[in-house]
Amino acid sequence: DQQVKQNSPSLSVQEGRISILNCDYTNSMFDYFLWYKKYPAEGPTFLISISSIKDKNEDGRFTVFLNKSAKHLSLHIVPSQPGDSAVYFCAASGGDGNKLVFGAGTILRVKS
Amino acid sequence: GAGVSQSPSNKVTEKGKDVELRCDPISGHTALYWYRQSLGQGLEFLIYFQGNSAPDKSGLPSDRFSAERTGGSVSTLTIQRTQQEDSAVYLCASRRGNYGYTFGSGTRLTVV
Repeated sequence: DQQVKQNSPSLSVQEGRISILNCDYTNSMFDYFLWYKKYPAEGPTFLISISSIKDKNEDGRFTVFLNKSAKHLSLHIVPSQPGDSAVYFCAASGGDGNKLVFGAGTILRVKS
Repeated sequence: GAGVSQSPSNKVTEKGKDVELRCDPISGHTALYWYRQSLGQGLEFLIYFQGNSAPDKSGLPSDRFSAERTGGSVSTLTIQRTQQEDSAVYLCASRRGNYGYTFGSGTRLTVV
């Protein structure tokens, strides 16, 4: 039973354009959501997060949107850069931040 | 240390042998997690240590898997009688406070 789903295994975007990565969740107890970025042979690194009391959080080129009624969140990267090419994982947690539940990841390729 | 350190970075073992994977968390981080990523899959939670509390072992896939954390610092994940389905990247993360997970680079385990 996948509680966090990233239905797009991969996404290809032209440099300078917007990248939109999507994530759906099923557990209504989740109240904190995170995006991690992973390069090959490295561990995931934290990118941006959002609490369920918000519907948007922005950090530079990265913005995360949360739609609680739809149990959906998305990560927008604009403008996309070739260095953004990586695997992006959506993760969710309920209550105290223990045991992050991860999606399967989306491979983003930004073409120059 | 400055980051979470895992060793070895790569391990090839014969089916049926035991393996030990090591994780050195960031100094002062009280929480330590083990996750694994199988090919094409998301990060799967295995086990969680928090201070002196009993570990949350709910993610361990079988009794061949065990982990310990000595002195609240270094952790060892042991897989006995390895099987081919154990092949994956095993990731360790540590955390201080809420949500701030820092991952190591992982150990790529290949069972042949």
